[in-house]
Amino acid sequence: GIQVEQSPPDLILQEGANSTLRCNFSDSVNNLQWFHQNPWGQLINLFYIPSGTKQNGRLSATTVATERYSLLYISSSQTTDSGVYFCAVERGGTALIFGKGTTLSVSS
Amino acid sequence: DTAVSQTPKYLVTQMGNDKSIKCEQNLGHDTMYWYKQDSKKFLKIMFSYNNKELIINETVPNRFSPKSPDKAHLNLHINSLELGDSAVYFCASSQGRLQEQYFGPGTRLTVT
Repeated sequence: GIQVEQSPPDLILQEGANSTLRCNFSDSVNNLQWFHQNPWGQLINLFYIPSGTKQNGRLSATTVATERYSLLYISSSQTTDSGVYFCAVERGGTALIFGKGTTLSVSS
Repeated sequence: DTAVSQTPKYLVTQMGNDKSIKCEQNLGHDTMYWYKQDSKKFLKIMFSYNNKELIINETVPNRFSPKSPDKAHLNLHINSLELGDSAVYFCASSQGRLQEQYFGPGTRLTVT
């Protein structure tokens, strides 16, 4: 099956710093989504981005499908950005396969 | 209004018991899912329904049985609970199978 690798596994930032999270996948995909799981456990959909670039406020994402990776950019990080960021991909209309996540801690 | 809701939020029970988790979505979506998140936060699909029809059934013990009475509801019944069933169970929905998914708040199941 398709493999999803996220890096780095852990990231510690000071408030105001920028960061880039990476998601590599082993095969072509029809669907790629980024999620944020906050410290209270809620999973929030950040981006649906099988290809191209999208921006939403301080967050933006780029997927280069031909090279099998996606990047999530967080600018001017805030403490509320803390949590786990998951990348998930789907191939052939089967099911979303999740990566192991990047745990982000932002301190003030 | 909550888009995807689950009840209960917490469930503590003993081994061997049978329990159910309920999920409802008010987004008008036609596809619903159950995921399991283990203690290492790894998320894995269990089941998916599209228009009340089971379309994904991953390798899950047959003690787990999903039921979708209508497009807006997807329930999960678990028989003969085991210690290893302890996890957070998430319900999610989407409009179509290749579209963005919206998750419920999760149900933390603890089996003692």
